[in-house]
Amino acid sequence: SSELTQDPAVSVALGQTVRITCQGDSLRSYYASWYQQKPGQAPVLVIYGKNNRPSGIPDRFSGSSSGNTASLTITGAQAEDEADYYCNSRDSSGNLVVFGGGTKLTVL
Amino acid sequence: EVQLVESGGGLVQPGGSLRLSCAASGFTFSSYEMNWVRQAPGKGLEWVSYISSSGSTIYYADSVKGRFTISRDNAKNSLYLQMNSLRAEDTAVYYCARDNLGTFGWYYYYYMDVWGKGTTVTVSS
Repeated sequence: SSELTQDPAVSVALGQTVRITCQGDSLRSYYASWYQQKPGQAPVLVIYGKNNRPSGIPDRFSGSSSGNTASLTITGAQAEDEADYYCNSRDSSGNLVVFGGGTKLTVL
Repeated sequence: EVQLVESGGGLVQPGGSLRLSCAASGFTFSSYEMNWVRQAPGKGLEWVSYISSSGSTIYYADSVKGRFTISRDNAKNSLYLQMNSLRAEDTAVYYCARDNLGTFGWYYYYYMDVWGKGTTVTVSS
């Protein structure tokens, strides 16, 4: 079982805003990172740290954190944002790595 | 260009062995910690193993501990995963990924910023 908990599926209307959440005890000490994965492709880092986007990631992607919950927000979702999204951090010991179970985002 | 390329996947019988490789280029490999992450068909991402930049610190997921061995050769810019006693549940795409850990204020930040395209391991008779 994962130490980071995500909703299995979320949907959003085209152009609207959607928030994907991730809960876990380690998130009280770690900023979560977020990855986008499309079918047949490797994961791509979209958010890391407090709210940082790697080069090439659109600014409609943002991250936030409160207590044991991290959130990935997509403001003005596009059709190409339809994908699986995973959160990630170290575990509470700091030694092991954990992933959330993933959230399948559908853009309607 | 920063790049990771995995190789060595294939079909293996239960109980068999396989060695995966990950070739790094475009960055100073010896300065980075590295990971193996896998994804079973239709499932989510599962972290498998971590190795420090020098190779002196290693961690494994419970699901592979005692069966898998991670190693690296900084002179060859390469990461490896020796997989023994393979089981059907080890069937997955295996990715290598570059590790980043630091602090920002009271918090740690952690992320994997470079991923390979993966190599497929199928364990079946």
